[in-house]
Amino acid sequence: DGGITQSPKYLFRKEGQNVTLSCEQNLNHDAMYWYRQDPGQGLRLIYYSQIVNDFQKGDIAEGYSVSREKKESFPLTVTSAQKNPTAFYLCASISRSGSNNEQFFGPGTRLTVL
Amino acid sequence: AQSVTQLDSQVPVFEEAPVELRCNYSSSVSVYLFWYVQYPNQGLQLLLKYLSGSTLVKGINGFEAEFNKSQTSFHLRKPSVHISDTAEYFCAVRTLGGGADGLTFGKGTHLIIQP
Repeated sequence: DGGITQSPKYLFRKEGQNVTLSCEQNLNHDAMYWYRQDPGQGLRLIYYSQIVNDFQKGDIAEGYSVSREKKESFPLTVTSAQKNPTAFYLCASISRSGSNNEQFFGPGTRLTVL
Repeated sequence: AQSVTQLDSQVPVFEEAPVELRCNYSSSVSVYLFWYVQYPNQGLQLLLKYLSGSTLVKGINGFEAEFNKSQTSFHLRKPSVHISDTAEYFCAVRTLGGGADGLTFGKGTHLIIQP
């Protein structure tokens, strides 16, 4: 079955550490996205990538970094520069061809800073 | 830039009663509209979408929504709710012809079904 996987499901980080969240999709989608979800805030876009080796900042990119070396993979690194990283992180993807326009979401990673 | 407003952060409803979750958007260009549902500690699942054509859109789990261009609204409705409908519901928009920057989401409405 095609879909998006995110790992780990739960992640704990000590202050000052960098951590990397994994996102993999086998939907052959071109574009991938990272969102951050906080209670009562909805989803906010961190980074997105429309094609391999290219990515763009979203609304809240500070303290985060990404890479897109393969079409299937779009890992997100939460750096020590991110002052309040505790949140639920969602990865999504969409096909750039056709007219479906539906974003598919992974199951999410909950990051907690200790 | 576009924006989405979900007018109610929480909606309590008795089981088997009807429900409407409100969504208004603003955009200077035409948009695609979506409703997603999120169960606790899970990702988002698409309920329904409006791309073009009929303004009444039917989705999964008995939900439907009506696109009203003059009122810039896309309210979600269900005639009879079930306990299993308890979840967070998100309205989202994406502009036509672009969308490289992803979806713009409302802040969500928590639907609480009371027995």
